[in-house]
Amino acid sequence: NAGVMQNPRHLVRRRGQEARLRCSPMKGHSHVYWYRQLPEEGLKFMVYLQKENIIDESGMPKERFSAEFPKEGPSILRIQQVVRGDSAAYFCASSGTPPETQYFGPGTRLLVL
Amino acid sequence: GESVGLHLPTLSVQEGDNSIINCAYSNSASDYFIWYKQESGKGPQFIIDIRSNMDKRQGQRVTVLLNKTVKHLSLQIAATQPGDSAVYFCADSGGSNDYKLSFGAGTTVTVRA
Repeated sequence: NAGVMQNPRHLVRRRGQEARLRCSPMKGHSHVYWYRQLPEEGLKFMVYLQKENIIDESGMPKERFSAEFPKEGPSILRIQQVVRGDSAAYFCASSGTPPETQYFGPGTRLLVL
Repeated sequence: GESVGLHLPTLSVQEGDNSIINCAYSNSASDYFIWYKQESGKGPQFIIDIRSNMDKRQGQRVTVLLNKTVKHLSLQIAATQPGDSAVYFCADSGGSNDYKLSFGAGTTVTVRA
């Protein structure tokens, strides 16, 4: 049973470009969460999605950030017009119906030059 | 907001000794608590969890203790091994947002040979 998969593992973007981060949940999980981790810090909640629905995006910046979890395919976290402050590790987790254990993927490390 | 914090940012322990990692939380509504281990360059790995109707839970070489009176959580690792070297995070959730994990800043555990 494959775990949570994320790609790419590393992503380098120049300021102003777009970043697309992908997450495939564990088999049988339909709840996906995105977290951001800055160096030397804990993870911060960004958004919670179920299939085709955003349930809670309170932790996600209102501008430039968006997330989706389509009926088919992985969840996508999209960052438009990236800035240096967006450089961080972005982790995806999935679970069964909350409050079930969230299992994390390996993360995408975004570097904005 | 941030509801979870750890007492010490670093812990050095002799191989074979027991480790104790502490965590305090502030949200009285929290009813689910979880410990993750994160190795360098990887995603958080589930260790053990506990719900508020319990005060102790044991796994393989690990024990989690929950003291709701003082809002304190601890992780005990028995016979610490070099492979236990990592950053350990506690997280909690509860109330109406039972899916939203709040992470502490982490404790870096270093095992001395």
